[in-house]
Amino acid sequence: IVMTQTPLSLSVTPGQPASISCKSSQSLLYSDGKTYLYWYLQKPGQSPQLLIYEVSNRFSGVPDRFSGSGSGTDFTLKISRVEAEDVGVYYCMQSIQLRTFGQGTKVEIK
Amino acid sequence: EVQLVESGGGLVQPGGSLRLSCEGSGFTFRNYWMSWVRQAPGKGLEWVANIKQDGSETYYVDSVKGRFTISRDNAKNSLYLQMNSLRVEDTALYYCARGFSRWGQGTLVTVSS
Repeated sequence: IVMTQTPLSLSVTPGQPASISCKSSQSLLYSDGKTYLYWYLQKPGQSPQLLIYEVSNRFSGVPDRFSGSGSGTDFTLKISRVEAEDVGVYYCMQSIQLRTFGQGTKVEIK
Repeated sequence: EVQLVESGGGLVQPGGSLRLSCEGSGFTFRNYWMSWVRQAPGKGLEWVANIKQDGSETYYVDSVKGRFTISRDNAKNSLYLQMNSLRVEDTALYYCARGFSRWGQGTLVTVSS
């Protein structure tokens, strides 16, 4: 399964919203009714950290300005008000068939 | 606190071998699928392999099949990656991950002559 993210880079003014799209080459809806799409943030010099699991569930400790949506093959990560600590590279990942990551979207602050 | 600590990385010549280790603490290791994910310098993330809780199922990305072997020792809370026939393109930071949620800090593997 190929995961395609857009845009590949994003420059955002603090306090403004941001949105990242992720499209999969096949549906990520499994027979158990769950959709296995995840979002990660890799801050500079750090390991990736899980933000969102199964499309729209925020992981423990993730601020509520992060939200995930979508279904089937089209997914979106939204940051309602970008803060300086949100800079880094965002990756989507599927796990319905082995695992594959998107290319990453680099978010920087204007 | 959940911790994953990788070790075993280093410089190796093409065709050589290396064994990576990852020790988990702060959680019940035997309850989780475990994975290896790598990141070439300046590049994105690439899933490499994962292994079921009891080690009965393993899966690999095509590029490492037949060369890498993932294994675990639940008594030692440890995950391993045996890497043989290493290639220059295997150069990367190798992360150990617990399920989908927790990652170690990585261990660097450099394949170069």
